[in-house]
Amino acid sequence: GEDVEQSLFLSVREGDSSVINCTYTDSSSTYLYWYKQEPGAGLQLLTYIFSNMDMKQDQRLTVLLNKKDKHLSLRIADTQTGDSAIYFCAETGTYKYIFGTGTRLKVLA
Amino acid sequence: EAGVVQSPRYKIIEKKQPVAFWCNPISGHNTLYWYLQNLGQGPELLIRYENEEAVDDSQLPKDRFSAERLKGVDSTLKIQPAELGDSAVYLCASSLGDPFQKDTQYFGPGTRLTVL
Repeated sequence: GEDVEQSLFLSVREGDSSVINCTYTDSSSTYLYWYKQEPGAGLQLLTYIFSNMDMKQDQRLTVLLNKKDKHLSLRIADTQTGDSAIYFCAETGTYKYIFGTGTRLKVLA
Repeated sequence: EAGVVQSPRYKIIEKKQPVAFWCNPISGHNTLYWYLQNLGQGPELLIRYENEEAVDDSQLPKDRFSAERLKGVDSTLKIQPAELGDSAVYLCASSLGDPFQKDTQYFGPGTRLTVL
């Protein structure tokens, strides 16, 4: 079946780095995405990585992709209280997104 | 530029009543998606439109759910009759729809449905 797996919770202290992990299933995914969802809001695109890359950095965000293990991670440097939210990874075939269950990040002041 | 617009934001109805949700995608986006998001889970695709054509409705429960996108722009998702288990957030997303490029989906704020 199609299961994109994420750990459910992560708690970090303000100023520390956060690492959110994702294991996907479709090796043909062209792009892999990270979305952020705050309470009562829709999904906000954070970043993405093309499948032929193994790393992408975008300001405080670093995405690492291990295609062999089908493992994707999102590192947030200098985590702030405003980063508290649910983070979803998504794998993509043609048009179709498969989302993970989401990781709830709680940032402690 | 305006994002994906959805209304209403919240809806509370009694079971067996009908309900409709509306979505206006980003201007110029040919592809429109409706997703269902249950509490504590990721979004699951219900239906995808390319312009006015529903090209993937395999996950839409057609006995009670229907959708339309008559002019290939805004769309309506309807449930009739609603059941208790339909309580969830209904998300609309849109994208340019180019299969050969990165086809990023942009999401609206969602409609939170509560069925009593």
